[in-house]
Amino acid sequence: KQEVTQIPAALSVPEGENLVLNCSFTDSAIYNLQWFRQDPGKGLTSLLLIQSSQREQTSGRLNASLDKSSGRSTLYIAASQPGDSATYLCAVRPQDTGRRALTFGSGTRLQVQP
Amino acid sequence: SAVISQKPSRDICQRGTSLTIQCQVDSQVTMMFWYRQQPGQSLTLIATANQGSEATYESGFVIDKFPISRPNLTFSTLTVSNMSPEDSSIYLCSVRELAEQYFGPGTRLTVT
Repeated sequence: KQEVTQIPAALSVPEGENLVLNCSFTDSAIYNLQWFRQDPGKGLTSLLLIQSSQREQTSGRLNASLDKSSGRSTLYIAASQPGDSATYLCAVRPQDTGRRALTFGSGTRLQVQP
Repeated sequence: SAVISQKPSRDICQRGTSLTIQCQVDSQVTMMFWYRQQPGQSLTLIATANQGSEATYESGFVIDKFPISRPNLTFSTLTVSNMSPEDSSIYLCSVRELAEQYFGPGTRLTVT
């Protein structure tokens, strides 16, 4: 059974810092990995999608990497801003097309202090 | 990217009643997914809804408790039946477009 772990569970940094969020998964048979952002009490916003054959994806100040063989992904946020404060979730999609569910990590709650 | 809307955005319901949540997508999609996020927890898939067929439920979820309708390729409803306080959660509708998963804004349900 796939398990997804995110470290740290919570993080507080001053504005302007670069930071790294970690995601690890136990079953490397994944189709892709997706990073989401969730604001309190709200839905999920897709940030980056990395296919299993890719090593990284970039969007603006965000960069996500994937090392499928070691079961790890990182989300790098450059020059953090107070507006980045949210919970960040990673989710993996299984390679097995008969399985529909994404497996989510429990999230990293990020607070960026002005 | 798919744009998903949900109604209601939040509700407070009494124990024993039922609530129907609506999900509307701005494009035609084959599969629509319903997820639950209990307080302080991550997301769990309830069921997958295909147009024209019965929904497929994940382990631990049953049709009598969470009946789903999928009348066309842009719309679905999830009903939470005979509610108890344990059903207090955020319920999220989701679709997959190409390889990417998109989520609606969620329905925050509180059962008293």
